[in-house]
Amino acid sequence: EPEVTQTPSHQVTQMGQEVILRCVPISNHLYFYWYRQILGQKVEFLVSFYNNEISEKSEIFDDQFSVERPDGSNFTLKIRSTKLEDSAMYFCASAKQGMQTQYFGPGTRLLVL
Amino acid sequence: SQQGEEDPQALSIQEGENATMNCSYKTSINNLQWYRQNSGRGLVHLILIRSNEREKHSGRLRVTLDTSKKSSSLLITASRAADTASYFCATRGSNYKLTFGKGTLLTVNP
Repeated sequence: EPEVTQTPSHQVTQMGQEVILRCVPISNHLYFYWYRQILGQKVEFLVSFYNNEISEKSEIFDDQFSVERPDGSNFTLKIRSTKLEDSAMYFCASAKQGMQTQYFGPGTRLLVL
Repeated sequence: SQQGEEDPQALSIQEGENATMNCSYKTSINNLQWYRQNSGRGLVHLILIRSNEREKHSGRLRVTLDTSKKSSSLLITASRAADTASYFCATRGSNYKLTFGKGTLLTVNP
């Protein structure tokens, strides 16, 4: 069964460094998402992406964040200058259609020191 | 309460018993989905119920939706130790994002 994959599974970085989180969505899906979950808290929506552009973003998704689909298979989340409060589990998700089930990847655990 | 609030926050039962978790939300929805998360792992989709549906079954799972009360319930019958996980409801409105609740931590004791 097709799955969403994410790399790396864990990343440790220094405050102020740039990180790129990578995702490979399910191949015939058209809608892509990033969510994050700070330890012990809710899963929060960051951004949705369709047709090579952002369709919606939350207030968390400020200028430090960007997303890109550089080729036909990868979907990336970049954090330009990480802060301590960016430490969280980041989940990528994809869906075939906008209103259908979103399938989540296993997550990348980001720790900013 | 916030969109997608589950109760109870934690539930501990014996293997073979049924587990019921509830979710309440505030705004109108297009659909409601339930996800499971094993400790520190990814989110696994369990079931989706549309706003015009009242009940849905999938294996040992039964989901109900009452849009007049803005609430949903997830019933897991004949629970197993492997069902131990956090369970989240997530709502979708007119946009595409999912809004998650805080989750219910279910512990099934062998």
